[in-house]
Amino acid sequence: SQQGEEDPQALSIQEGENATMNCSYKTSINNLQWYRQNSGRGLVHLILIRSNEREKHSGRLRVTLDTSKKSSSLLITASRAADTASYFCATDAIGSSNYKLTFGKGTLLTVNP
Amino acid sequence: DGGITQSPKYLFRKEGQNVTLSCEQNLNHDAMYWYRQDPGQGLRLIYYSQIVNDFQKGDIAEGYSVSREKKESFPLTVTSAQKNPTAFYLCASSIEGGPGNTIYFGEGSWLTVV
Repeated sequence: SQQGEEDPQALSIQEGENATMNCSYKTSINNLQWYRQNSGRGLVHLILIRSNEREKHSGRLRVTLDTSKKSSSLLITASRAADTASYFCATDAIGSSNYKLTFGKGTLLTVNP
Repeated sequence: DGGITQSPKYLFRKEGQNVTLSCEQNLNHDAMYWYRQDPGQGLRLIYYSQIVNDFQKGDIAEGYSVSREKKESFPLTVTSAQKNPTAFYLCASSIEGGPGNTIYFGEGSWLTVV
């Protein structure tokens, strides 16, 4: 079953606007990661946030984590057409017998020039 | 350059055939993974390997097989037992298999049944 679920499924914005994507998960986690995938390509790691962290920044990316609500958000500021891609959250659950990441279905972000 | 190489990029399989997808990494990573992605869906784990000569089933291992004879190689065979193999297959690796490790992905292989 999917652990992480992204919301919205699709998001269309204009260049220069901010884009916010959300991820909800069901069980307690060690870490949460965000990945990006351009159409027909492999995934690229964006940022990792640990369960004891609340916010993290990387360039134009800002990730928050609320473990009480079991949710995370990814904010992309001043978006560019090149940010057009699918964005996935991935979690690894506490208590898993073996390490494996569980990916959500992704948010498809379209940034219009 | 360091990275993960998957081949072929596009592969067509006839009914009843087995096909093998290649995955090679030169990152010196211990852990390797195979994921399946269907259109508009997330990734589902097929198999993973945390060390040479060892591998574990993921969530959807039926109809697939793997081997890990060398650290840098983790080929995936899609057998005729896999009834719906048409999908995008992603190979990945991480330094080790513990939590909190970044996973690095190859560019993927498209498999189509004809």
